[in-house]
Amino acid sequence: IQMTQSPSSLSASVRDRVTITCRASQDISNNLGWYQQTPGKAPKLLIYAASTLQSGVPSGFSGSGSGTDFTLTISSLQPEDFATYYCVQFQSYPWTFGQGTKVEIK
Amino acid sequence: EVQLVESGGGLVQPGGSLRLSCAASGFTVSTNYMSWVRQVPGKGLEWVSIIYTGGNTYYADSVKGRFTISRDNSKNTLYLQMNSLRPEDTALYYCVWVSTVTKWYFDLWGRGTLVTVSS
Repeated sequence: IQMTQSPSSLSASVRDRVTITCRASQDISNNLGWYQQTPGKAPKLLIYAASTLQSGVPSGFSGSGSGTDFTLTISSLQPEDFATYYCVQFQSYPWTFGQGTKVEIK
Repeated sequence: EVQLVESGGGLVQPGGSLRLSCAASGFTVSTNYMSWVRQVPGKGLEWVSIIYTGGNTYYADSVKGRFTISRDNSKNTLYLQMNSLRPEDTALYYCVWVSTVTKWYFDLWGRGTLVTVSS
C-alpha cells in the first residue's frame, strides 16, 4: 500500500492553521497513525486510529478520514510544532509511511 | 521507567553481518509485539520487521531473506540479525514497541542505533 503525503513541505507562521493530507493507494479503513519528528529525536505518536488523540498530545492536533483519504490538522501552530510529520498505515504488511511533510517557519 | 535502548550499530563492509540489540525495561518483550523501523539520515521512515507474541514474524520486501528478528525472553531483549548487508541498508535503526490494544500503532521508540554499510 502506497501512502502519498502532501505537501512535502510548507512554510507557516505561529498561530496559523495547518493541514497535511495523506492518501492511501487502497482502502485502509482507519488503520492510520500520525507522527511528529524533530531533528535528532525519535518520532512521537500524535494520532492513532486516524482520529484518536494520543494521551498527552495537545488538543490543537486533530486527525480525520477513513478509507483512502486522511488529514492531520494543527489548529494554531505553536513554535514547538515546527517539525516533520509522517503518516503510516497499519492495514497490511508491509506497513508503509508517507514521505513526510516538513513544517517550517515562515 | 519504560524504555528501549538499542545497541550494536557500527560500520560494516558490504556483504557483512551485524546484530542489533534492543534492551527493554519497564515491560516484557515476550508479551508484546515488537518492531524495527529504520531511517536513512535526513530521509523518511521505513518499517523493517515485526515479531508477534506467538513468534510470528514479518519483514519488508527490501530485507526479506537477509534480516531476522528474534528475542531472548530471559534477557528481555529484541534482536535484528542483519546479513548480506548492502549500502542501502545504511540507516538509523529504531526498536519500537507496537501497541495492539485497540488499534495498531508504534507506541514507544528507542533512540536508535546507526548502521553504516560502506567499504
